[in-house]
Amino acid sequence: GQQVMQIPQYQHVQEGEDFTTYCNSSTTLSNIQWYKQRPGGHPVFLIQLVKSGEVKKQKRLTFQFGEAKKNSSLHITATQTTDVGTYFCAAHAGKSTFGDGTTLTVKP
Amino acid sequence: EPEVTQTPSHQVTQMGQEVILRCVPISNHLYFYWYRQILGQKVEFLVSFYNNEISEKSEIFDDQFSVERPDGSNFTLKIRSTKLEDSAMYFCASSLRAGEGDTQYFGPGTRLTVL
Repeated sequence: GQQVMQIPQYQHVQEGEDFTTYCNSSTTLSNIQWYKQRPGGHPVFLIQLVKSGEVKKQKRLTFQFGEAKKNSSLHITATQTTDVGTYFCAAHAGKSTFGDGTTLTVKP
Repeated sequence: EPEVTQTPSHQVTQMGQEVILRCVPISNHLYFYWYRQILGQKVEFLVSFYNNEISEKSEIFDDQFSVERPDGSNFTLKIRSTKLEDSAMYFCASSLRAGEGDTQYFGPGTRLTVL
């Protein structure tokens, strides 16, 4: 079945440093979605990527979809303490498959 | 802004008991989902539901689980005979269109504790 792998599992940064999480699929994806889950909270949709090589930006967040549509990344520039949480990628194709998530902690 | 609601927020039950987790999806949404998240682990898909029937289900969703849309607003997940390993956060989600390519809005979750 479809597998979605995400690295790193944990990332601890100093406030102001950049952060990147990577998502890799065993199969070509039609689309990929990114979610953020704050500690004790529920997943919240951030963005969806559909096109090969697509890049989307949301303020300090940059999302990329690989040319082969098998990998994706989320990059946060100049992290802030409000960025803490776990970032999941997810592939929805019939069944939904979430990555393991990358938990970001930010030291002020 | 419309949101998915879930009740109860926390359910404690004895092993072997039946539990029903309730969800009210966003009113004009047509696709409904249940996920679970064991503490500290990733979100796992359980089942998707459309047009009053199951669209997809995972291997986790065995005969102990069932879903129902008993009326025009509620969407329920029933676990017939709970096991200790069913302890987890259960999230309901809904989307306007099919899961592939559409945003899923998650509810706040029900924390199920099986003793």
